[in-house]
Amino acid sequence: SQTIHQWPATLVQPVGSPLSLECTVEGTSNPNLYWYRQAAGRGLQLLFYSVGIGQISSEVPQNLSASRPQDRQFILSSKKLLLSDSGFYLCAWSAGSAGYGYTFGSGTRLTVV
Amino acid sequence: GENVGLHLPTLSVQEGDNSIINCAYSNSASDYFIWYKQESGKGPQFIIDIRSNMDKRQGQRVTVLLNKTVKHLSLQIAATQPGDSAVYFCAEILYNQGGKLIFGQGTELSVKP
Repeated sequence: SQTIHQWPATLVQPVGSPLSLECTVEGTSNPNLYWYRQAAGRGLQLLFYSVGIGQISSEVPQNLSASRPQDRQFILSSKKLLLSDSGFYLCAWSAGSAGYGYTFGSGTRLTVV
Repeated sequence: GENVGLHLPTLSVQEGDNSIINCAYSNSASDYFIWYKQESGKGPQFIIDIRSNMDKRQGQRVTVLLNKTVKHLSLQIAATQPGDSAVYFCAEILYNQGGKLIFGQGTELSVKP
């Protein structure tokens, strides 16, 4: 069966520090991978999606970047965090061909102080 | 489209009553819609989906209705229980944009015992 792992669950980082959040998927190959951000009491905003290794599409201009070094690994990064980067970050995957059946990770709560 | 900058509307119902949560979507090319339930601090969980060639689909205690003429979705929960308290999001898949999953605003459901 397919599983998605996301870590860490919570993170407190100072302004100006770097960030690296990792997401991995098991039990499938060539998934579509996604990073979403959710501010407190708000909806989910799509940040990045990837349909293959090294292929990254950015949805909104921001202080973050994403990379996909391996088929089932998706990384969200920042060189210097801003206060406005605080939020709940969710990774998700879907079947590569059809986009059905999105499955979400458990999320990372990032607080920038 | 995305309404991620808005505070979530709330719906309060009595335990045992039926709940109706509404959602408007903007892209007439959307082919597939999903309802998610998100409990505090967790990732969204799939509830039910519907394709654009259907106008109604039923699951266990849940029914989704789709009105393509007015671009409107609704989620009906029968005999609402305290465990149904959560935020509910509708989402659409944009196949003309690589199969991206775009979330609607979300509604916070509160069930009173």
